[in-house]
Amino acid sequence: GQQLNQSPQSMFIQEGEDVSMNCTSSSIFNTWLWYKQDPGEGPVLLIALYKAGELTSNGRLTAQFGITRKDSFLNISASIPSDVGIYFCAGQLTGANSKLTFGKGITLSVRP
Amino acid sequence: NAGVMQNPRHLVRRRGQEARLRCSPMKGHSHVYWYRQLPEEGLKFMVYLQKENIIDESGMPKERFSAEFPKEGPSILRIQQVVRGDSAAYFCASSPAGRVNIQYFGAGTRLSVL
Repeated sequence: GQQLNQSPQSMFIQEGEDVSMNCTSSSIFNTWLWYKQDPGEGPVLLIALYKAGELTSNGRLTAQFGITRKDSFLNISASIPSDVGIYFCAGQLTGANSKLTFGKGITLSVRP
Repeated sequence: NAGVMQNPRHLVRRRGQEARLRCSPMKGHSHVYWYRQLPEEGLKFMVYLQKENIIDESGMPKERFSAEFPKEGPSILRIQQVVRGDSAAYFCASSPAGRVNIQYFGAGTRLSVL
C-alpha cells in the first residue's frame, strides 16, 4: 500500500529553537495535511496544502507542498512547551475517494 | 460549533463480545471516515461513508467489522466477536460536501479487549 515516511521517530529540542519535519512518499499526492496529536486525543489539523509549491503559514507554523508532489515539510519556529506532541503528515491521492494516508508520526519533545 | 463527537471515549470488552462505536460528525458535514490507530503508529483508513451509503470500505477487515451512517443519527462502527488484536484507538473524521480533502477528527474511542 501507499506509505508516507517520517523520520526520525523522535526529536528533542530546546525551548525557543526552530524545528523542521519532513514527509516523503514514492507516490504523488494532491493534498497534504499536517496534524498534531496530544496523548489521549484525536489529531488536530494544523495546516492543509492543496497545490504543488504552495507555502502556507499558521502562526509559528509554516508548511510547504513539494513541487514534485511527493513531499512536504513542516517548520515550527520559536518552539514553546505546548508544542510537545506527535506530528503526523497525511496525504490524499488523486482519485482515492478522499481517504487519507498517514505517516507514523514524529514525537516532539521541548526542553524548557 | 461542536466538533466531531465520538462515544464512548473508552470501551472495554471481553473476547467474543460486540463493540459499538459512535460518531456524530460536525454540523453540516455529510462525509464520515473511520480510522484505526495502533500504539506508536499512524492512522490507518478503514471506511468512508456518506449518508446511507458506503463509498469506500477498502480498509475494513472482511469479517466481523461493519459500518453504517444512517439517514438519522450517528455513524456506527460495529465489531463483532472482538479479539485481542482489535484493541486500538478508533477515530472518526468528517468533512463537508465539496471539501472532502480536509478532514476533522474526533477524540477517538479507545477499545480494550480483555
